[in-house]
Amino acid sequence: NAGVMQNPRHLVRRRGQEARLRCSPMKGHSHVYWYRQLPEEGLKFMVYLQKENIIDESGMPKERFSAEFPKEGPSILRIQQVVRGDSAAYFCASAKSRGNEKLFFGSGTQLSVL
Amino acid sequence: AQSVTQPDIHITVSEGASLELRCNYSYGATPYLFWYVQSPGQGLQLLLKYFSGDTLVQGIKGFEAEFKRSQSSFNLRKPSVHWSDAAEYFCAVGDRYGGSQGNLIFGKGTKLSVKP
Repeated sequence: NAGVMQNPRHLVRRRGQEARLRCSPMKGHSHVYWYRQLPEEGLKFMVYLQKENIIDESGMPKERFSAEFPKEGPSILRIQQVVRGDSAAYFCASAKSRGNEKLFFGSGTQLSVL
Repeated sequence: AQSVTQPDIHITVSEGASLELRCNYSYGATPYLFWYVQSPGQGLQLLLKYFSGDTLVQGIKGFEAEFKRSQSSFNLRKPSVHWSDAAEYFCAVGDRYGGSQGNLIFGKGTKLSVKP
């Protein structure tokens, strides 16, 4: 059973471009969480999705950021018009059920904005 | 406000020595408590968690942690550190009753270096 798969591992974008980060949860998991890790910081919650629904986006910046988790396919975190401050590691975690007892994390996508 | 504090940014111990990483939390409700380890370039791996019951919990790789409600602490310990334990360690707190927020609040991490 493969773990949580994130791709790409590294993503380089120029300011103003769009970044798309993908997360395939573990098999049988329908709950996905996105976290962002800035340098020298712990992970900060961004958004929680269940298939086709955004459950909690309280940690998501109001502009330029969006997330989806379609019925088929991976969850996507989309950042439009990236700025240097978006440079960070973005982690996805999945769970089989609601709640946080059994979160499994992916290896992350390192976004670098030039 | 809900928060997790890891007072030590960086700790260096000798291989074979004992280890204690500190974690204090501020949380309105009875929390779930977690310790995760992150090796360079890797995602987070769960070491152990506390939900209820015995306040001393055992985890993987020989780690343990003790929940002390009176001190709002959940310190991580290991009796004898191995060189492979060098990594960054994160304490996290979560809402026991989830609700619509199954998210975790993380501390800033403690980086552990191990001397030969």
